[in-house]
Amino acid sequence: EAQVTQNPRYLITVTGKKLTVTCSQNMNHEYMSWYRQDPGLGLRQIYYSMNVEVTDKGDVPEGYKVSRKEKRNFPLILESPSPNQTSLYFCASSGGGTQPQHFGDGTRLSIL
Amino acid sequence: RKEVEQDPGPFNVPEGATVAFNCTYSNSASQSFFWYRQDCRKEPKLLMSVYSSGNEDGRFTAQLNRASQYISLLIRDSKLSDSATYLCVVSVYSSASKIIFGSGTRLSIRP
Repeated sequence: EAQVTQNPRYLITVTGKKLTVTCSQNMNHEYMSWYRQDPGLGLRQIYYSMNVEVTDKGDVPEGYKVSRKEKRNFPLILESPSPNQTSLYFCASSGGGTQPQHFGDGTRLSIL
Repeated sequence: RKEVEQDPGPFNVPEGATVAFNCTYSNSASQSFFWYRQDCRKEPKLLMSVYSSGNEDGRFTAQLNRASQYISLLIRDSKLSDSATYLCVVSVYSSASKIIFGSGTRLSIRP
């Protein structure tokens, strides 16, 4: 089954404790992306990757890092999480930047 | 001004009604257009791509007007299960790829 898998689905943690949200896709997609969704602000792109070892900033990259060492994986790293990063996060993948995206189930992060 | 703008709603219509949403975009270089549906606390799911010639999928019709820079979604004979938030998505591709989501329009269908 074609899917995008994010882990964890839910996480409550404290300020400053490094965390990683994993994202994996099994569709051999080149394009992967991370979004955060906040009430009233919609989905905002954090980082995207057009292929292995190619990543670029989206609209709200501050406080986040990503890596794309393999085609299927695109982890999101919060080196020093802060409460303003409390949000619902989605990973997505597609065959290209102009193709429809497939989303993971989402990760709800709470930073206390 | 937001790059992609939608009326946030909520639209509250009776079952069986026809409802239409518009979405405007500001970047004339925008190349791909989509409508997604998002249920509460769930991931967005592709409803349909939007083509220049307009396209239809069952009760859903999407239109693109490049001259006026807007896309529309028409839902005919609405069902209770159509209640959701509808997201307009615009993709711009040049040396980099930019995908912009509208904030969404909430639709509620009442019996």
